[in-house]
Amino acid sequence: QKEVEQNSGPLSVPEGAIASLNCTYSDRGAQSFFWYRQYSGKSPELIMSIYSNGDKEDGRFTAQLNKASQYVSLLIRDSQPSDSATYLCAVKIGGATNKLIFGTGTLLAVQP
Amino acid sequence: DVKVTQSSRYLVKRTGEKVFLECVQDMDHENMFWYRQDPGLGLRLIYFSYDVKMKEKGDIPEGYSVSREKKERFSLILESASTNQTSMYLCASNPGTGNEQYFGPGTRLTVT
Repeated sequence: QKEVEQNSGPLSVPEGAIASLNCTYSDRGAQSFFWYRQYSGKSPELIMSIYSNGDKEDGRFTAQLNKASQYVSLLIRDSQPSDSATYLCAVKIGGATNKLIFGTGTLLAVQP
Repeated sequence: DVKVTQSSRYLVKRTGEKVFLECVQDMDHENMFWYRQDPGLGLRLIYFSYDVKMKEKGDIPEGYSVSREKKERFSLILESASTNQTSMYLCASNPGTGNEQYFGPGTRLTVT
């Protein structure tokens, strides 16, 4: 069983719409959650982190965390073609190490 | 800004060669990681290091070794390259005070 699950997509949204990306995880002791954006051929870039239940907003991005449901999401408002990329969810599992477990990513395509 | 650099963006090696991939970070980070990324499999952890001369195996250490002689530098070694090690290799670092990881640009290695 995969520890971090994401729908691979592609998720296609029109320009200006809200893109909703979802991630579920299996470790109930997970503490920290991250969203990375990865353009084709490039390395992952950290865009959001969230540590407690609820919403966290940063510009057009909102991360949402529900630890009871083991669910974390990323909303992108006013989606732009430049947001087209693969979005990776990463989870810091319980324990002392700084290891992250990554999902396989969701490909987002924003249509002009 | 965190700066993580990798020695090569593209590398072509022959089967059986010994391959060195180098990673350098300039932020005095405690932890460094080596991943490989393959389509459909996501990011998989090869090795990580939480201090100079300290290392721990990740999920797929077979065929690889690492070296961390200085805090800023973490090297990945393919003892005898094989075609199934053709992949994108990503280095990341983490300050130790939080769990976020920052990635280098990646090295696309082809073994022929």
